[in-house]
Amino acid sequence: EAQVTQNPRYLITVTGKKLTVTCSQNMNHEYMSWYRQDPGLGLRQIYYSMNVEVTDKGDVPEGYKVSRKEKRNFPLILESPSPNQTSLYFCASSLPGLRETQYFGPGTRLLVL
Amino acid sequence: GQNIDQPTEMTATEGAIVQINCTYQTSGFNGLFWYQQHAGEAPTFLSYNVLDGLEEKGRFSSFLSRSKGYSYLLLKELQMKDSASYLCAVSDSNYQLIWGAGTKLIIKP
Repeated sequence: EAQVTQNPRYLITVTGKKLTVTCSQNMNHEYMSWYRQDPGLGLRQIYYSMNVEVTDKGDVPEGYKVSRKEKRNFPLILESPSPNQTSLYFCASSLPGLRETQYFGPGTRLLVL
Repeated sequence: GQNIDQPTEMTATEGAIVQINCTYQTSGFNGLFWYQQHAGEAPTFLSYNVLDGLEEKGRFSSFLSRSKGYSYLLLKELQMKDSASYLCAVSDSNYQLIWGAGTKLIIKP
């Protein structure tokens, strides 16, 4: 089954404790991206990747890191999480191109205390 | 700056028709997407418009007017399962998606 998977789905952590949210897709998509979704603000892009070893900042990259060592994986790293990073996070992937729709993972709900 | 505007919330009755509007101001335009998102779930693709006019897909239709920076999503024969948020997103000159905050649609029996 074609899908985007994220782990963990739910995470409660404390300020400053490094964490990684994994994202994997099995559709051989070149393009992957991370979003955060907060009430009233919609989806905001954190980082995106056009292909392996190519990453770029989105609208809200501060406090996050990513890597793209393999085509299928695109982990999101929070080196020192803070409470303002409490949010719902989505990973998405797509083929490159104008009309290509994005396929979203199920989401990771993060609470930073 | 870039901006996408949608109503925050709308209410409609089962079996009726509802129109959800989206206006946008972006640096460039390479198409407009509508996504559906049920509470606590991931967004799923509904439609894509790049040329002016109406695109129909079953009970859902999407309209675009590029000169007005305007789109709407039309949902007919509403069902309870249509209760969800509807997200409008525009692909800008760099092919990056700019997202609206979404419209929460409440369907009443």
